[in-house]
Amino acid sequence: GQNIDQPTEMTATEGAIVQINCTYQTSGFNGLFWYQQHAGEAPTFLSYNVLDGLEEKGRFSSFLSRSKGYSYLLLKELQMKDSASYLCAVRDFGQNFVFGPGTRLSVLP
Amino acid sequence: DGGITQSPKYLFRKEGQNVTLSCEQNLNHDAMYWYRQDPGQGLRLIYYSQIVNDFQKGDIAEGYSVSREKKESFPLTVTSAQKNPTAFYLCASSIAEGRREQFFGPGTRLTVL
Repeated sequence: GQNIDQPTEMTATEGAIVQINCTYQTSGFNGLFWYQQHAGEAPTFLSYNVLDGLEEKGRFSSFLSRSKGYSYLLLKELQMKDSASYLCAVRDFGQNFVFGPGTRLSVLP
Repeated sequence: DGGITQSPKYLFRKEGQNVTLSCEQNLNHDAMYWYRQDPGQGLRLIYYSQIVNDFQKGDIAEGYSVSREKKESFPLTVTSAQKNPTAFYLCASSIAEGRREQFFGPGTRLTVL
């Protein structure tokens, strides 16, 4: 079966670092995506990993271990505007994307 | 400006009525997708299309229908056969090769009364 797990909610303080974990079990693997979604809005693309290792993009980094079926999104120097849901998604074979339930992050002053 | 548009943003319908949600993109993307999002749940794939005049069922296609007569357009019809249609519907598109990250429209919130 297809399954992606993420923590439901996380809380962190402005200026801190937070790591959001994602574990997956899918029938195939052709890349892992992280999206940010503010309440009531569309998801926006943050990062993509297809090979093992760390991808860095400004304040955001994403890590992948294919052998462990594991990824994390690292957010540094947290800002209030980072309060949002973060969605982990895996593309299995073809055009099928499997999304996790999302992690709602609250950044406190 | 290139992007994806969905209309309307909010839609109310009576139970038993079919309703069609619009999705248009001018990104020249070959692939288009429809997702449903319920509170506290991830996005679930309803239908996707890789090329004009071709589309595939996703995980929750029952009670929905689509068409892809033009590259730019991928309308979704929510039929009366869909048991619980009240949800947030998101349309997305991507290129058909390479990384294929998806670009999402603003969504339509459908409420069936």
